[in-house]
Amino acid sequence: AQSVTQLDSHVSVSEGTPVLLRCNYSSSYSPSLFWYVQHPNKGLQLLLKYTSAATLVKGINGFEAEFKKSETSFHLTKPSAHMSDAAEYFCVVSDRGITGKLIFGQGTTLQVKP
Amino acid sequence: GAVVSQHPSRVICKSGTSVKIECRSLDFQATTMFWYRQFPKQSLMLMATSNEGSKATYEQGVEKDKFLINHASLTLSTLTVTSAHPEDSSFYICSARATDRVTEAFFGQGTRLTVV
Repeated sequence: AQSVTQLDSHVSVSEGTPVLLRCNYSSSYSPSLFWYVQHPNKGLQLLLKYTSAATLVKGINGFEAEFKKSETSFHLTKPSAHMSDAAEYFCVVSDRGITGKLIFGQGTTLQVKP
Repeated sequence: GAVVSQHPSRVICKSGTSVKIECRSLDFQATTMFWYRQFPKQSLMLMATSNEGSKATYEQGVEKDKFLINHASLTLSTLTVTSAHPEDSSFYICSARATDRVTEAFFGQGTRLTVV
């Protein structure tokens, strides 16, 4: 069975400083991994995805994530936080089938202080 | 990117009534759609997987007769909350997986349901 664990429920950074949101996954085979962002009372927006190509994945708004199989991790980073980055972030794992479920992590709330 | 439209975005209904939520893929065909429920400050919990032309697959603990799902076409899935009660109040989100892009799902804007 697949699962995903977001190691921090809440992360607070100052504007202009780096962001690190941690995610570990468990899967019996090579997974597809995603990071989604959700602003209050809104749907989800895809930031980036890993699907067995390059292990360093670049996404929108300056975010990137590195797939590390040996560590079963898929941490999300950004060099410099912006106030507009404040939101809820979800790490998601999926199997490869056409009807594969998306399994969500518990979410990490990112706070950006001025 | 692909667009999924969910309607309504917000609905208030009385206890005992039924509410229908629509999820449409606007510019792609979606063989599979997923329905999620999200409680305040919590993650998304998968309720059911909806496959076009067949019965939905419900997750353990989700009442099939309470949450009716219909996926009549490749662009539309509906979730009907029957005989709604205040405890059904929640944020419901759908997602659609494109037939030719099976590794990615696109999400609707969500529906805030309040049962009074």
